[in-house]
Amino acid sequence: DQQVKQNSPSLSVQEGRISILNCDYTNSMFDYFLWYKKYPAEGPTFLISISSIKDKNEDGRFTVFLNKSAKHLSLHIVPSQPGDSAVYFCAARPFNYGGSQGNLIFGKGTKLSVKP
Amino acid sequence: SQTIHQWPATLVQPVGSPLSLECTVEGTSNPNLYWYRQAAGRGLQLLFYSVGIGQISSEVPQNLSASRPQDRQFILSSKKLLLSDSGFYLCAWSLPGQGYISTEAFFGQGTRLTVV
Repeated sequence: DQQVKQNSPSLSVQEGRISILNCDYTNSMFDYFLWYKKYPAEGPTFLISISSIKDKNEDGRFTVFLNKSAKHLSLHIVPSQPGDSAVYFCAARPFNYGGSQGNLIFGKGTKLSVKP
Repeated sequence: SQTIHQWPATLVQPVGSPLSLECTVEGTSNPNLYWYRQAAGRGLQLLFYSVGIGQISSEVPQNLSASRPQDRQFILSSKKLLLSDSGFYLCAWSLPGQGYISTEAFFGQGTRLTVV
């Protein structure tokens, strides 16, 4: 059973417009959510994160919104650029008190294509 | 600065042959280490993680194994590969937080394994 879901396998957006990538989760015991960006044949790179005690975190063109009641988070990219074309993974970290667990749980990813 | 090295980048192996993928991290001590797999159409699946030398936790039962012979070395192995082992394998590290894993994981470049 998937705990982190990215229901859209792909998204196509025009350059300059907003890209909105969505992620839903089923477990209330996550304390951090992260977005990773992955180019073909490369490892994912960390993009932005948000703590479960916040509802918004902004970093340049990237903003992550968290709606805990809906168990939903989204990544907004404004304005979108062709270089943003990549696969975006949503990840969640289970909350753990003092243990060594808490490994990230990833969604299946959404492939974003930004058309010039 | 910290760096992670993973090799080889690509590998084609026949069914039934052994496997050894190696990952090393530089610039940090006592990192948490991970092996992930990204199979076609699926997200990043955690295979193994390690919080110290000789300490390996398996997340998914399979014919793969992992070892950590040194603090910053993580090896993924198999005695006999299956066709289903094909995929993109990623090594990652994170800082050991105070009792729990930090929010970010840093990934290697990945190994594209094709079992034929």
